[in-house]
Amino acid sequence: AQSVTQPDIHITVSEGASLELRCNYSYGATPYLFWYVQSPGQGLQLLLKYFSGDTLVQGIKGFEAEFKRSQSSFNLRKPSVHWSDAAEYFCAVGGLSGSARQLTFGSGTQLTVLP
Amino acid sequence: DTGVSQDPRHKITKRGQNVTFRCDPISEHNRLYWYRQTLGQGPEFLTYFQNEAQLEKSRLLSDRFSAERPKGSFSTLEIQRTEQGDSAMYLCASSLYDTTEAFFGQGTRLTVV
Repeated sequence: AQSVTQPDIHITVSEGASLELRCNYSYGATPYLFWYVQSPGQGLQLLLKYFSGDTLVQGIKGFEAEFKRSQSSFNLRKPSVHWSDAAEYFCAVGGLSGSARQLTFGSGTQLTVLP
Repeated sequence: DTGVSQDPRHKITKRGQNVTFRCDPISEHNRLYWYRQTLGQGPEFLTYFQNEAQLEKSRLLSDRFSAERPKGSFSTLEIQRTEQGDSAMYLCASSLYDTTEAFFGQGTRLTVV
């Protein structure tokens, strides 16, 4: 069975600082990996996804993530955080070509940004 | 089209009552998904429609839950005889194809008192 672990429940960073959110997955084959962001009162928005190819994936809003097969990780990074990045971030793994009907989400990391 | 819309945004109900939620997907999307998100957890898949056909149901979808998508457009999720454990955010998503990005609605937050 596929699973996702996000070890950090809550992270606080200062505006302008760099950010790394951790994600570890368990999946029997080559996974489809996603990062979503959820702002208060909003639905999930896809930040980026990895299916194959280059292990460093660029997404929207200046985010990137690196797939490391040897570590079963897909960490999300941003070089300089903005106050508007405060939200909850979810990592997800999927099979079946990344279909939304087979997504398994982690429990999320809440990001607080200090002025 | 402004995206996936869900109605209502919030629902408070007494235990034992029935509730129904509605989801309007992006108009050209024929795939529609329902997820449930409890406090402190990520979303969990409930069920999936391709057009009007309900093709997949999670074991989380107990007999008290039923979902429909008549005519392959909007979808409804009904919970009968609600229990306190049903309190959660119910998210709907839609996609054009099975392998394309799914767009999520803002969700319906259900509180069972």
